[in-house]
Amino acid sequence: GNSVTQMEGPVTLSEEAFLTINCTYTATGYPSLFWYVQYPGEGLQLLLKATKADDKGSNKGFEATYRKETTSFHLEKGSVQVSDSAVYFCALSANDMRFGAGTRLTVKP
Amino acid sequence: SAVISQKPSRDICQRGTSLTIQCQVDSQVTMMFWYRQQPGQSLTLIATANQGSEATYESGFVIDKFPISRPNLTFSTLTVSNMSPEDSSIYLCSVRDGAASNSPLHFGNGTRLTVT
Repeated sequence: GNSVTQMEGPVTLSEEAFLTINCTYTATGYPSLFWYVQYPGEGLQLLLKATKADDKGSNKGFEATYRKETTSFHLEKGSVQVSDSAVYFCALSANDMRFGAGTRLTVKP
Repeated sequence: SAVISQKPSRDICQRGTSLTIQCQVDSQVTMMFWYRQQPGQSLTLIATANQGSEATYESGFVIDKFPISRPNLTFSTLTVSNMSPEDSSIYLCSVRDGAASNSPLHFGNGTRLTVT
């Protein structure tokens, strides 16, 4: 069945550091891929998405590229801020939505 | 994107009691999804609520424990019945942001439930 494997956390970075959170997937067919973010005490918010191979999703300085050859959708940001501290979930959608385990990011000033 | 309002935002309940969580959407949607997020864990789909028919439950979840109502296209409730401490979780209501089956989900802010 469809599944998502996400880099385990927690991840702690200093402000302005480079961020990568790895995500790989297993799916039949051609799923859409997503990154969601959950700030403390809040629900999940869609951060970015990609619907087909080689698409790049981007938002708020975050980027992820849909790589069919490596079945990956890694999240990157060139310079993180304290306000980026949150839990990040990779997800895929075919007929249903599957979520990764989540990666907690803490950014220190 | 749809605006989803969930109530209550949090509650502390005694074991053996039941809690009903309400989810209101500002637009008509065919399907509403209920998820559970246990502490430090990812999201697990409990059931899909369709208007005019019984909810479809995922493996491991049963109607007696998590009865769902869907009286119209903008509203749904999830009841957590006969609660135990293991039911302490965040419960999230969501809808698809688009008509396609691979559209992203849009979530409410969730209900943080603590069972003592």
